[in-house]
Amino acid sequence: QKEVEQNSGPLSVPEGAIASLNCTYSDRGSQSFFWYRQYSGKSPELIMFIYSNGDKEDGRFTAQLNKASQYVSLLIRDSQPSDSATYLCAVIPSGNTPLVFGKGTRLSVIA
Amino acid sequence: GAGVSQTPSNKVTEKGKYVELRCDPISGHTALYWYRQSLGQGPEFLIYFQGTGAADDSGLPNDRFFAVRPEGSVSTLKIQRTERGDSAVYLCASRSPGQPTPLHFGNGTRLTVT
Repeated sequence: QKEVEQNSGPLSVPEGAIASLNCTYSDRGSQSFFWYRQYSGKSPELIMFIYSNGDKEDGRFTAQLNKASQYVSLLIRDSQPSDSATYLCAVIPSGNTPLVFGKGTRLSVIA
Repeated sequence: GAGVSQTPSNKVTEKGKYVELRCDPISGHTALYWYRQSLGQGPEFLIYFQGTGAADDSGLPNDRFFAVRPEGSVSTLKIQRTERGDSAVYLCASRSPGQPTPLHFGNGTRLTVT
């Protein structure tokens, strides 16, 4: 079973703080990693993807990947109330199998 | 269209009935995926098409579920003899050719079986 684990939250952070969202995966051969944001009642929206170890930055978002630890994270700097949503971690496991999602972490940014 | 289009957006049906859910992917996207999402859960994979053929249908829960993509564009997910446990949001996503590229989701169909 190829699994993706996330803390369901809720994770509450004050406005302007850094929100740190974490994800672990079971398939060591996984190569591609994605973060999706999902507002209540809406479909998932791609925020970032990362393929190589290290950090990848896009605006206020930074994805971090550590394949040795099978760990991927998303940092949101200067968090805004509009960032309040569920954040889904998704992984393409080895064998070119379809994207596997975690259950998501609910983030609440308090004004 | 600009994005993945799913119809209907909402479907209420009685237990035992047959339903069809439609997905129109982004133009040029050869790969099409169906996922199902229950409340508080992440999307759960159902089936994946590459062109007209089902490349992986390992996520279909049982033989009441079937999907087609006859011309390699629009896909229809078909559920026979619906059960209350089938109630969920059914998400369709498409992806451009090449590996790996992200999935782009439609707005989903909320299916409620009463």
